Amino acid sequence: NAGVTQTPKFQVLKTGQSMTLQCAQDMNHEYMSWYRQDPGMGLRLIHYSVGAGITDQGEVPNGYNVSRSTTEDFPLRLLSAAPSQTSVYFCASSYRDFYEQYFGPGTRLTVT
Amino acid sequence: AQTVTQSQPEMSVQEAETVTLSCTYDTSESNYYLFWYKQPPSRQMILVIRQEAYKQQNATENRFSVNFQKAAKSFSLKISDSQLGDTAMYFCAFMGLSGYALNFGKGTSLLVTP
Repeated sequence: NAGVTQTPKFQVLKTGQSMTLQCAQDMNHEYMSWYRQDPGMGLRLIHYSVGAGITDQGEVPNGYNVSRSTTEDFPLRLLSAAPSQTSVYFCASSYRDFYEQYFGPGTRLTVT
Repeated sequence: AQTVTQSQPEMSVQEAETVTLSCTYDTSESNYYLFWYKQPPSRQMILVIRQEAYKQQNATENRFSVNFQKAAKSFSLKISDSQLGDTAMYFCAFMGLSGYALNFGKGTSLLVTP
């Protein structure tokens, strides 16, 4: 199993550009989540999904969009990048509620 | 909303010694899960240990153990026989009734020195 994979590992965007961060898992997990990590802030939940076709907002959803058309994939879309979105982004998945979350390797995004 | 507090931003310990990282949390829920995650310089988030609140017994995983005090809402991590590879950021995290969202503390940066 590859576990949770994320692409790209690094990305630089200009303000106003859009992009999609990719996340995929091959463990047949129902739950998938996106977190962002900022210095001194720990990780904060952006969006999550409890199954294909079902998504909801987390703590910091503004400026981000998600969809879940398959169990395996959970892409995160930045609609119009802003410098405040400079962060490290982690995708995570878990078998179901209350189970351990497995994290991807992260994407470091810089918005100039 | 639940809050997780890690009051030690940085700690240092010598190889082979024991170190304890502190974590407190605030919740009105009676059942929940607590986690410690390790983030080495590689950036990968690695689960260290997990505790279910309804279990009285403290969780242990090899050199890692917790001191879970439910009434005090405290969940400290003890690392015994510290190794250089334990150098990392350690995050305490809370999962409540939602069953999906982790609330993280701000982390403790641990340095293990020779």
